[in-house]
Amino acid sequence: SAVISQKPSRDICQRGTSLTIQCQVDSQVTMMFWYRQQPGQSLTLIATANQGSEATYESGFVIDKFPISRPNLTFSTLTVSNMSPEDSSIYLCSVVRQGGNEQFFGPGTRLTVL
Amino acid sequence: GENVEQHPSTLSVQEGDSAVIKCTYSDSASNYFPWYKQELGKRPQLIIDIRSNVGEKKDQRIAVTLNKTAKHFSLHITETQPEDSAVYFCAASQMDYKLSFGAGTTVTVRA
Repeated sequence: SAVISQKPSRDICQRGTSLTIQCQVDSQVTMMFWYRQQPGQSLTLIATANQGSEATYESGFVIDKFPISRPNLTFSTLTVSNMSPEDSSIYLCSVVRQGGNEQFFGPGTRLTVL
Repeated sequence: GENVEQHPSTLSVQEGDSAVIKCTYSDSASNYFPWYKQELGKRPQLIIDIRSNVGEKKDQRIAVTLNKTAKHFSLHITETQPEDSAVYFCAASQMDYKLSFGAGTTVTVRA
């Protein structure tokens, strides 16, 4: 498996502000994704982070709210913009390594919006 | 898009007994089916997976079966131990690696 880190691990933010979450992998990976896990719920895919190009968003998620960057094969950021209490969730990045199907998750960022 | 249903939502078993979790999927193009275990406050951890060209896969006390015709797959845990207590998620994906998750099953192993 890959070693995946996320920063910050948790944060408490005021509504109307934005937070950028970083995801770093210890080796080059082919795919990087961002998921959201609301309290007590399952995981929902937000978007695919494409290296060097715009992210691909799932239904219900838009770039203005969740801008994503992936400048290289080992790093990605997710910004949660203009936050409201409904954005309180755990945000997780995941990666797929070259030559495999297995998808591994980062430790997550626990976001609370007041 | 893909829809994955998972049952039961909660499962309580006596230590040493078996646990079975079942999932169904809607899109016949799905070809990869992983299972994740998530302990409280931790990240989802991949415990076993199966591809559509395989009917069954086993890893020690854990096994997964896949019925492509019926579009369902199951996780079997034998000889359950207290450390098996967690939330288990099934998922399905196609060639694009995007995972669609089931709602999760909270497994409690009673000592």
